[in-house]
Amino acid sequence: DIQTTQPPSSLSASVGDRVTIPCRTSQSVGNYLNWYQQKPGKAPKLLVYSASTLQSGVPSRFSGSGSGTDFTLTITSLQPEDFATYYCQQSYSAPLTFGQGTRVHFK
Amino acid sequence: QVQLQESGPGLLKPSETLSLTCTVSGGSTSSGSYYWTWIRQPAGKGLEWIGRIYTSGTTSYNPSLKSRVTISVDTSKNQFSLELTSVTAADTALYFCAREPTGRDAYDIWGQGTVVTVSS
Repeated sequence: DIQTTQPPSSLSASVGDRVTIPCRTSQSVGNYLNWYQQKPGKAPKLLVYSASTLQSGVPSRFSGSGSGTDFTLTITSLQPEDFATYYCQQSYSAPLTFGQGTRVHFK
Repeated sequence: QVQLQESGPGLLKPSETLSLTCTVSGGSTSSGSYYWTWIRQPAGKGLEWIGRIYTSGTTSYNPSLKSRVTISVDTSKNQFSLELTSVTAADTALYFCAREPTGRDAYDIWGQGTVVTVSS
């Protein structure tokens, strides 16, 4: 199985901050890497697919980058509604695996 | 607007079989453009991919669950289902169904999730 890791498990930030969330896979997944946002008690929401393609309707302050084994989700100016947990997921090979999540909380 | 809704028993005893159904509205499970997927999340933990089915009936399962999992689709009812046999407390989780457009390899629409608790 491809391992997907997201250190750190949490980070603190303030409204207006630029936030970068890393994700690493144990072997190359090309650009088969997706990002989701999840708020407590809710289903995850797709933000970015294929490493860097913004899902329709997602604000442009979100962006994804990377390829191979190292990826990043960037939020250019954190908004109050962005405090949530973010998961990366590799879709290169089954079993499709998620990172353990990075919780963005208020500083 | 496509919506997914999970349904099924919320409480099971150890060794019983978990059976959940995902009803698709505003879209069709017979469309050749999607995979239909089950994902679960234990309380306070991360997401685990259970498996998926294509409209043709082709399935793919997480090896860690493969011996206990069956995913099926009923296009006449616009539903797909999950069966997980011999459940234990470790299967207690929030279960989601989701849609994966073919070629996108990501889940663009999710159900709200349903909690399943396994307890004696």
